[in-house]
Amino acid sequence: DAGITQSPRHKVTETGTPVTLRCHQTENHRYMYWYRQDPGHGLRLIHYSYGVKDTDKGEVSDGYSVSRSKTEDFLLTLESATSSQTSVYFCAISEDTGELFFGEGSRLTVL
Amino acid sequence: RKEVEQDPGPFNVPEGATVAFNCTYSNSASQSFFWYRQDCRKEPKLLMSVYSSGNEDGRFTAQLNRASQYISLLIRDSKLSDSATYLCVVIGALNRDDKIIFGKGTRLHILP
Repeated sequence: DAGITQSPRHKVTETGTPVTLRCHQTENHRYMYWYRQDPGHGLRLIHYSYGVKDTDKGEVSDGYSVSRSKTEDFLLTLESATSSQTSVYFCAISEDTGELFFGEGSRLTVL
Repeated sequence: RKEVEQDPGPFNVPEGATVAFNCTYSNSASQSFFWYRQDCRKEPKLLMSVYSSGNEDGRFTAQLNRASQYISLLIRDSKLSDSATYLCVVIGALNRDDKIIFGKGTRLHILP
């Protein structure tokens, strides 16, 4: 299995609080992604990174920011969490083959 | 037409049977195709890539039909452990965010 870990795996927070999810890889893959998965919507891309300090928006980026200061770490931040951001968040990594390897997911509940 | 479409199912199939499902895509310039498997409350995992010539991995066969713009997954001699959601992934240009398109998945239930 690809070396990719997400933390925290579960989090419950209140509306308006900041939340940061961390994705850590040991594969030295160039590309890293954050997706959210919700019933009826499938996987939707939030942000992705194609290198250190190189990031771009996905289809559902509003309310989220990311940072990648090192190859191995990709952080997803919700500056002020809302109930609509309750979801399961998956980090993924890939190289140029296009095959994605996913972390185990972070389940976020915003009350 | 949606970019990538899958029949959501569920497909309820008796153990030992053969099941097949398709995934259609709208972008004729798409370059790479994959099938992923996702178990309940787990992360998606790569099942197999789909090559133009088709490919087989044990009981699983994936095929690409560029003329009709669909990929297919065939599972022979289905096992209870095959119960999962199967996601197709279509990539237009490698690793561009707007070109990695996931289908919403097809749920498969293998019945004992």
